Amino acid sequence: DAGVIQSPRHEVTEMGQEVTLRCKPISGHDYLFWYRQTMMRGLELLIYFNNNVPIDDSGMPEDRFSAKMPNASFSTLKIQPSEPRDSAVYFCASSLGGVSNQPQHFGDGTRLSIL
Amino acid sequence: QKEVEQNSGPLSVPEGAIASLNCTYSDRGSQSFFWYRQYSGKSPELIMSIYSNGDKEDGRFTAQLNKASQYVSLLIRDSQPSDSATYLCASDSLSGNTPLVFGKGTRLSVIA
Repeated sequence: DAGVIQSPRHEVTEMGQEVTLRCKPISGHDYLFWYRQTMMRGLELLIYFNNNVPIDDSGMPEDRFSAKMPNASFSTLKIQPSEPRDSAVYFCASSLGGVSNQPQHFGDGTRLSIL
Repeated sequence: QKEVEQNSGPLSVPEGAIASLNCTYSDRGSQSFFWYRQYSGKSPELIMSIYSNGDKEDGRFTAQLNKASQYVSLLIRDSQPSDSATYLCASDSLSGNTPLVFGKGTRLSVIA
């Protein structure tokens, strides 16, 4: 079975540019999570969706961040405008049947560098 | 504020020894606990889940849960250099309607 698929794997861009990260969850999974991971802060939950509906975006750091899930097989995380402090690894994860009592399956991540 | 605490390490053990990784959680109502392994530059990978007090064994891995002490541990028997990674502990919340809370992870180094 295909796992969670993220693209791009690496992104290097200049400050002020728009960045779009993409995620395809595991087919049939009804929860989708976006995380950011840094050495200092560890793994931080940014936002999660249930059946394509955003449930909790309290982890989104600023209005510069936005996320959408137009259908069950696709989600985007957008940063506009990007800043150097946004540099991190961004993971997408999905799970089936529960927001916290079911294991989450992670994609390979997008390593984002803002110059 | 729900928290999951782990010693950041590094924890160094010789090859063939037992590695013991520990995790404490703040929400007394937590019911579900997970251990993820994350190799450098890779994504977290689920290796164990535990929901009841006691031990759960899977191959060389044993997860231990003590809800009274709010303590979860992961034992790795016969540690191998390939076990060298960061291990993340995660727990749910009392309500079950909020996402998992992850610890920052413990870095394990198995020395050949």
